[in-house]
Amino acid sequence: GAVVSQHPSRVICKSGTSVKIECRSLDFQATTMFWYRQFPKKSLMLMATSNEGSKATYEQGVEKDKFLINHASLTLSTLTVTSAHPEDSSFYICSARDGGSGTDTQYFGPGTRLTVL
Amino acid sequence: SQKIEQNSEALNIQEGKTATLTCNYTNYSPAYLQWYRQDPGRGPVFLLLIRENEKEKRKERLKVTFDTTLKQSLFHITASQPADSATYLCALVYSSASKIIFGSGTRLSIRP
Repeated sequence: GAVVSQHPSRVICKSGTSVKIECRSLDFQATTMFWYRQFPKKSLMLMATSNEGSKATYEQGVEKDKFLINHASLTLSTLTVTSAHPEDSSFYICSARDGGSGTDTQYFGPGTRLTVL
Repeated sequence: SQKIEQNSEALNIQEGKTATLTCNYTNYSPAYLQWYRQDPGRGPVFLLLIRENEKEKRKERLKVTFDTTLKQSLFHITASQPADSATYLCALVYSSASKIIFGSGTRLSIRP
């Protein structure tokens, strides 16, 4: 089946630093990838939609200068949390849409736990 | 705006029984509805998809129904096992180009 990986799985950083999270589709090409944020015991909140070769589309309330997204290839999208602060601590999950599935099923990565001290 | 509700935050049942989870939505029906499983600290795992024109879908011990009149989907796990304990998310997709709208999830616990 379709596999999506994320790296790193956990990161702890100091306030003010930037953190990059990678999302890769391992066995399919994903023209579209999605970035979500999830708080404890809450559902996934879509942050942005990332299209290969073009600018990401951000959801309302998500700062595009704060959360930089790059989708440079059909198998890789990156999310950079710039000048991270403690309130950015969260579980970040990416997903990749398999356009060849016929139903555009999204497959999710394992998530990245970000802790900002 | 479209709302999706999983009306049990938590469900606790005895091993061997059938677990039934409910997903309700407002306004217009989606093109298809998906169910995912999520374990703590992990990303969601896709389980089943049911289209607007389908009434029922099965996969091993899992069964999903979709009633566009009631605006409801039911997710059943038969012969439940402790390993089925997880959070189950319902999600709506309105077109192939649109984003997924997730419910808040139901945390299912199967006791031995």
